[in-house]
Amino acid sequence: GAVVSQHPSWVICKSGTSVKIECRSLDFQATTMFWYRQFPKQSLMLMATSNEGSKATYEQGVEKDKFLINHASLTLSTLTVTSAHPEDSSFYICSAGEPQYFGPGTRLLVL
Amino acid sequence: DQQVKQNSPSLSVQEGRISILNCDYTNSMFDYFLWYKKYPAEGPTFLISISSIKDKNEDGRFTVFLNKSAKHLSLHIVPSQPGDSAVYFCAARVGGGADGLTFGKGTHLIIQP
Repeated sequence: GAVVSQHPSWVICKSGTSVKIECRSLDFQATTMFWYRQFPKQSLMLMATSNEGSKATYEQGVEKDKFLINHASLTLSTLTVTSAHPEDSSFYICSAGEPQYFGPGTRLLVL
Repeated sequence: DQQVKQNSPSLSVQEGRISILNCDYTNSMFDYFLWYKKYPAEGPTFLISISSIKDKNEDGRFTVFLNKSAKHLSLHIVPSQPGDSAVYFCAARVGGGADGLTFGKGTHLIIQP
């Protein structure tokens, strides 16, 4: 199947800082990528749909000014968690392709 | 409002037997369903999918059955192997590939030797 990578795999940061997570489709082009979040013992929840060359579409309850998404090319989407707080600590996963193939995820811990 | 439900948090099956994982959904607009396997701290791995125009799809040891009238689907794994031990997520979407997925909470499958 298609390969999706994420970087970094984990990050620890102080409260108030911003963190950028990259999602790349390695062997295919993706005009659409998806960002999900998973809290412990919970399901994956769709946060936003990243569209190459246009604005991202955010799910209800997800703050677009806090979770900035940029889809600058057909193989790269970035999610920036701005002014991160401890409640943003979670497992962030991106996906792309059809059917959706997922990256390995990024574990974010905000102290 | 949980639109995709996996009511069994865990399931224990003996190696070699059949594993049956169940999933129910409430949104009648869902028309494409997928099963993913996930290990801790990793992204989900796609297993198998089914369109609402079908009632069965098979791929090797994995078979997915869809009962639209009951809004129910199931994943059958036969024979079950130790490497199948993982969390299995049922997911659904409306429309084509431009839409995100709605996931269930997952079922932890444990294959016992």
